[in-house]
Amino acid sequence: DIQMTQSPSSLSASVGDRVTITCQASQDISNYLNWYQQKPGKAPNLLIYDASNLKTGVPSRFSGSGSGTDFTFTISSLQPEDIATYYCQHYDNLPPTFGQGTRLEIK
Amino acid sequence: QVQLVESGGGVVQPGRSLRLSCAASGFTFSSHAMHWVRQAPGKGLEWVALISYDGSNKRYADSVKGRFTISRDNSKNTLYLQMNSLRVEDTAVYYCAKAGGGSSLRIESWGQGTLVTVSS
Repeated sequence: DIQMTQSPSSLSASVGDRVTITCQASQDISNYLNWYQQKPGKAPNLLIYDASNLKTGVPSRFSGSGSGTDFTFTISSLQPEDIATYYCQHYDNLPPTFGQGTRLEIK
Repeated sequence: QVQLVESGGGVVQPGRSLRLSCAASGFTFSSHAMHWVRQAPGKGLEWVALISYDGSNKRYADSVKGRFTISRDNSKNTLYLQMNSLRVEDTAVYYCAKAGGGSSLRIESWGQGTLVTVSS
């Protein structure tokens, strides 16, 4: 199975800050990577697919980049409603594994 | 608007069975592969099972292989997960999810989840 290593596991930032989360795959997954946002008690919500494509309706402050094994998720200007846990997930092959999550808090 | 509504969760004793359902609407259900993904309380996400658009191909996580069965009824726009020989470690919120983007592996929409608690 492909292992997805996300960092950091938790992050505290101020409103307006630029926030970056990284995800590393244990082998080349091309660009077969999703980024999700999950708020407490809710289902995950897809934000980014194919590593860098913003899902329709998702604010442009969210972005993704990378290919191969190293990927980055960025919030350009943190908003209070962005408080959530963020997960990466590959879909190169089965099983489609997830990163362990990054819990984002407001400082 | 894609809608996925899970049902069938509850409290069950170890060794017993439970069947989850997921009612789909807002898209052509018979054209899309579907997944089950679970999340134990306070933990991360774990993929459970995949079924192809026509039900001909099914795949499972090693942790549930031989105990869980995924199926679908395209005439009813409904996905199922039959869970047998349940264990305490199967306790989780179970989400059904729609694949998309031309890939059966790419998950793009999720239901709200149903909680399964395995406890004596």
